[in-house]
Amino acid sequence: DIQMTQSPSSLSASVGDRVTITCQASQDIRKYLHWYQQKPGKAPKLLIYDASNLETGVPSRFSGSGSGTDFTFTISSLQPEDIATYYCQQYDNLFTFGPGTKVHIK
Amino acid sequence: EVQLVESGGGSVHPGRSLRLSCAASGFIFSDYNMNWVRQAPGKGLEWLSYISTSSSTIYYADSVRGRFTVSRDNAKNSLYLQMNSLRAEDTAVYYCARTRSGIFSWGQGTLVTVSS
Repeated sequence: DIQMTQSPSSLSASVGDRVTITCQASQDIRKYLHWYQQKPGKAPKLLIYDASNLETGVPSRFSGSGSGTDFTFTISSLQPEDIATYYCQQYDNLFTFGPGTKVHIK
Repeated sequence: EVQLVESGGGSVHPGRSLRLSCAASGFIFSDYNMNWVRQAPGKGLEWLSYISTSSSTIYYADSVRGRFTVSRDNAKNSLYLQMNSLRAEDTAVYYCARTRSGIFSWGQGTLVTVSS
């Protein structure tokens, strides 16, 4: 089974700050990784697919990079509406979600 | 508009069974592989099960293999999850989700609470 780790597990940042989340796979998953945003009481929403592609309609302040085992998700300028938990998800071999990163406003 | 509507959740005692359903609309259900994913209160997302378009390929997470059974009825645009021998740790919101290129599209979820 492929295991996914994310860091940090939570972070606090100010509006306008650059926020970076990392996701690591236990084995090479090429670019088979997506990023989701989940707000309380809601289903997750796709933001980035295949490691670096911005989903249609998603603000350009969100971006992703990486391949193999190491991936990065960035919010270039944190906005109040970005308060949420962010998950990475691999689909190279079945599906595994990372444990999530909860983003707070400082 | 793509819609996935889960139903069948509720409160149940440990060791009992429950059957979840997911009604699909707004897309050609038989063209999509389907999954169940759950989220325990305050916890992360856990993939549980996958079923291919024709039901020919089925996978389960280790945590539910042997207790849960996924099925689908393409004529009824419906996905099911039969959950047996339920445990307290199965308490969660259960989502059905279609997948294409590994991307999950989600229902709103149904809450299952396992408690004595």
